[in-house]
Amino acid sequence: EVQLVESGGGLVKPGGSLRLSCDASGFSFSYYAMDWVRQAPGKGLEWVSSISPRSDYIYYADSVKGRFTTSRDNAKNSLYLQLNSLGVEDTAVYYCARHQLSNGYYWDFWGMGTLVAVSS
Amino acid sequence: EIVLTQSPGILSLSPGERATLSCRASQSVSSICLAWYQQNPGQAPRLLIHGASNRATGIPDRFSGSGSGTHFTLTISRLEPEDFAVYYCQLYRSSPYGWTFGQGTKVEI
Repeated sequence: EVQLVESGGGLVKPGGSLRLSCDASGFSFSYYAMDWVRQAPGKGLEWVSSISPRSDYIYYADSVKGRFTTSRDNAKNSLYLQLNSLGVEDTAVYYCARHQLSNGYYWDFWGMGTLVAVSS
Repeated sequence: EIVLTQSPGILSLSPGERATLSCRASQSVSSICLAWYQQNPGQAPRLLIHGASNRATGIPDRFSGSGSGTHFTLTISRLEPEDFAVYYCQLYRSSPYGWTFGQGTKVEI
């Protein structure tokens, strides 16, 4: 069974930093690109970042470019998101999702998310 | 940048009725880049449809997707109580790389 479990969220002051983790199980993690998607309270979904299976390619939304860094450790089946220079606009539930390329481009499995709250 | 516009914003229906949700792109897109997700309160999104018309594994056949070019539709043939949720369409683009969501349609009783 595919499982994605995020952790590392919490309350942080503006300008602060956090590191999120996503632990994967039930599939060959090193074969899949992975993504971070976020959702501000009461709002819609926003793509944050994608990372290729071997970390050759990493992409970011303009809203986080230069502040967030995505990485992965295939030996540990883990995905990470380093969040720096956080602003109140970054308050959201952060989901990790498995990137699928079969018959389309989409995310077929999602974690339950971890909440990042930025407030003074 | 391609914008996805979903309509209506809120769809009020009863169990057993048919739901038709629209997703319009600001320019023509490839059908394989269009997906639909369902999200219940407090839960992660769930993949329903990929490639505009392919049901994801385990999704009941009352859910169907159609469309091409700039207009895509998600149809729920007979609403079940668990179908009352928010639905998002999503677009992948390769150049520049990125993913875009519609603003969502809430299907409520």
